[in-house]
Amino acid sequence: AQTVTQSQPEMSVQEAETVTLSCTYDTSESDYYLFWYKQPPSRQMILVIRQEAYKQQNATENRFSVNFQKAAKSFSLKISDSQLGDAAMYFCAYRSYGSGNTGKLIFGQGTTLQVKP
Amino acid sequence: DGGITQSPKYLFRKEGQNVTLSCEQNLNHDAMYWYRQDPGQGLRLIYYSQIVNDFQKGDIAEGYSVSREKKESFPLTVTSAQKNPTAFYLCASSIVGENTEAFFGQGTRLTVV
Repeated sequence: AQTVTQSQPEMSVQEAETVTLSCTYDTSESDYYLFWYKQPPSRQMILVIRQEAYKQQNATENRFSVNFQKAAKSFSLKISDSQLGDAAMYFCAYRSYGSGNTGKLIFGQGTTLQVKP
Repeated sequence: DGGITQSPKYLFRKEGQNVTLSCEQNLNHDAMYWYRQDPGQGLRLIYYSQIVNDFQKGDIAEGYSVSREKKESFPLTVTSAQKNPTAFYLCASSIVGENTEAFFGQGTRLTVV
């Protein structure tokens, strides 16, 4: 069974600075998807970024980028130029690929990010 | 506007009662999911359905039941057998296939009183 671990329950960053959130996972599958979701105080889950394991290039979306290390089973999220609106809980999630893909997401425990003005 | 609607936003239940949480989507998605969120534990899968009239148990299905009579609707019943039902419940939907994204509702906060 796959597992996802986020070892940082809380993080804080100064506005305009850069912060990195960590995520590790365990799987025996060779192909899969990894995601970072943001859950602001409204509790609406918002997809931040997605990485396909078969792609070596790290995904980027504006100020958000990932460091995907497949051999180490590590998937960290870097937020550059942090803004007050980035304050939220962030979840790392895993999804299988191919015949094992039922669309089920396996989530980490979450990291609460505080942005200080 | 297309999306997923969960209702109610807040729900209070007396011990021993069954309660049903509503989830409706107009995205024409085949797959729908129910997750439970507890502090410090992330989201855990309760049930999922990939097609009408069919559904599968997730990791924590005990004390819950679902139905999928229509493509648009996937209600979750929290039964009296669920020993610790107080939690935040999220419904999601997606297209079945690769490279698809899950869309989430805004959640229902259930409190047992």
